[in-house]
Amino acid sequence: EDQVTQSPEALRLQEGESSSLNCSYTVSGLRGLFWYRQDPGKGPEFLFTLYSAGEEKEKERLKATLTKKESFLHITAPKPEDSATYLCAVGGSNYKLTFGKGTLLTVNP
Amino acid sequence: GAVVSQHPSWVICKSGTSVKIECRSLDFQATTMFWYRQFPKQSLMLMATSNEGSKATYEQGVEKDKFLINHASLTLSTLTVTSAHPEDSSFYICSARDPGASGTAGDEQFFGPGTRLTVL
Repeated sequence: EDQVTQSPEALRLQEGESSSLNCSYTVSGLRGLFWYRQDPGKGPEFLFTLYSAGEEKEKERLKATLTKKESFLHITAPKPEDSATYLCAVGGSNYKLTFGKGTLLTVNP
Repeated sequence: GAVVSQHPSWVICKSGTSVKIECRSLDFQATTMFWYRQFPKQSLMLMATSNEGSKATYEQGVEKDKFLINHASLTLSTLTVTSAHPEDSSFYICSARDPGASGTAGDEQFFGPGTRLTVL
């Protein structure tokens, strides 16, 4: 059974204070490691997909990295508008996604 | 990215009634759509895979007679919660992938804005 564990559950940062979110996973046959952003009361918004250990992708203040057992979402100099829940998911057979519980990020001005 | 819509965005109903939720892919044809449920402060849980022109595939523990899924066209899937009860109150979200996207982009799932169901 595919499993995804995200840590920490919640993270408070001051504006400009860089940090990282962790996503540990076990999956039989990884078909992508996905990062999504979810704002309250809305559906997840796609951020990145990673496939191979060592792969990195960047978008504005976010950078996602992947190893064989975990992925990190690095946030550099965050702004209050980066506040959201960040979800990690692994892709398995038949394009099914297994999600972690997410990390609630709050960036204070 | 591709756009997926849901309707309604929220619905309140009485216990015992049925509620239908629509999921549409607006700018691509989706042969496969997915239905998730999310409880407060919990993860998205996959309920079922909706396949155009064939029966849906339900995840273990999801009652297929209670959550009816119809994928009648390449751009529309519907989820009907039959005989709803308060414990069915949740946030229901659909997603779709674009099979016409090239390479690994075809693995990406795009999510609708969600439907908040409250059963009184």
